[in-house]
Amino acid sequence: GNSVTQMEGPVTLSEEAFLTINCTYTATGYPSLFWYVQYPGEGLQLLLKATKADDKGSNKGFEATYRKETTSFHLEKGSVQVSDSAVYFCALVKAAGNKLTFGGGTRVLVKP
Amino acid sequence: DADVTQTPRNRITKTGKRIMLECSQTKGHDRMYWYRQDPGLGLRLIYYSFDVKDINKGEISDGYSVSRQAQAKFSLSLESAIPNQTALYFCATSGAGTGGYEQYFGPGTRLTVT
Repeated sequence: GNSVTQMEGPVTLSEEAFLTINCTYTATGYPSLFWYVQYPGEGLQLLLKATKADDKGSNKGFEATYRKETTSFHLEKGSVQVSDSAVYFCALVKAAGNKLTFGGGTRVLVKP
Repeated sequence: DADVTQTPRNRITKTGKRIMLECSQTKGHDRMYWYRQDPGLGLRLIYYSFDVKDINKGEISDGYSVSRQAQAKFSLSLESAIPNQTALYFCATSGAGTGGYEQYFGPGTRLTVT
């Protein structure tokens, strides 16, 4: 079956630091890949997506590149802010069925 | 106003009680989902519905049932709540357009079963 593995948190870093959250997946075929973000007390919001190999998704200074050869979709941001403190989920969906498979989530805490 | 709303936002109930969680959406989407979130496990799919007459079990449907009353409403029921159903529950929607891959989540319902 499909699965998503992402690094466990919490990840604690200072403002303006570089953030990387690793995500790898197992799936047959060519899934679409997503990063969702959950701010405290809120539901999940789509942060970015990539639908085919070598696509780069980007939003709010975050980027992730769909790497078919390494089955990875690592999330990066060059300079984090306190407002980026949240839980980040990597997820995939296959072309048929439209059911998301989520990783376990990574909590990120950015300190001033 | 929020596009996907859930009621109640918080609920404490006792073992054996029946409880219903409700979800409404104004996005006009045909597809709706119920997930539960547990620490370290991400979100797991309970049930999903691709239209009013189509209901499907997800990976953890045991102990739950759903009702799609209309395109905009999808309810989740726990017929006889048990403590290990204590979790954060999310409703989500998606549409057939834009590839149908993006899902839009409600704010969640925190359920505690004592």
